[in-house]
Amino acid sequence: NAGVTQTPKFRVLKTGQSMTLLCAQDMNHEYMYWYRQDPGMGLRLIHYSVGEGTTAKGEVPDGYNVSRLKKQNFLLGLESAAPSQTSVYFCASSATMGLGYTFGSGTRLTVV
Amino acid sequence: ELKVEQNPLFLSMQEGKNYTIYCNYSTTSDRLYWYRQDPGKSLESLFVLLSNGAVKQEGRLMASLDTKARLSTLHITAAVHDLSATYFCAVENDYKLSFGAGTTVTVRA
Repeated sequence: NAGVTQTPKFRVLKTGQSMTLLCAQDMNHEYMYWYRQDPGMGLRLIHYSVGEGTTAKGEVPDGYNVSRLKKQNFLLGLESAAPSQTSVYFCASSATMGLGYTFGSGTRLTVV
Repeated sequence: ELKVEQNPLFLSMQEGKNYTIYCNYSTTSDRLYWYRQDPGKSLESLFVLLSNGAVKQEGRLMASLDTKARLSTLHITAAVHDLSATYFCAVENDYKLSFGAGTTVTVRA
């Protein structure tokens, strides 16, 4: 099925560990996004990409890095996880502005 | 920085009655979206509002946009239990979405 696939769906990390979240889309979308969702705060943009090989900072980029080496994949990295990064992470993609966004099913990350 | 404010944040609805959720935003926007999220699930797109005066309806939900007032409303008609969820508005500007905090709706008999 066409869409946005996030892996893993759940993960528990110890403080200081690193990990990479993978977002893959098969719709040939140019734009891809990483959001985090915390209770009472809606979704906040971490990083985004407007095309293969490009990345840009969003609203809350500190502690995260991203890469978009292939058009269909957008990776979110945590180099040294902190408890404040406990959250649900959503990836989204869009063909272009105004055509809507497709969201992945989310990754629930707990940092202990 | 674009700010998006939703109110109320929590809404307890009685079945059969009408309610409105408000979404205010701080700067000129390209488009406004409404999403629904069920607990533990992803976001489901409800409406995309493209221009001033736009009104869209789907079942018991109707969304409208006033770009001059920088205000969108989501009106719920004759609430039913199935509408219990969290509703988000999101404003599109410069290739990005900025979200409101969400309105958690509970419909009681």
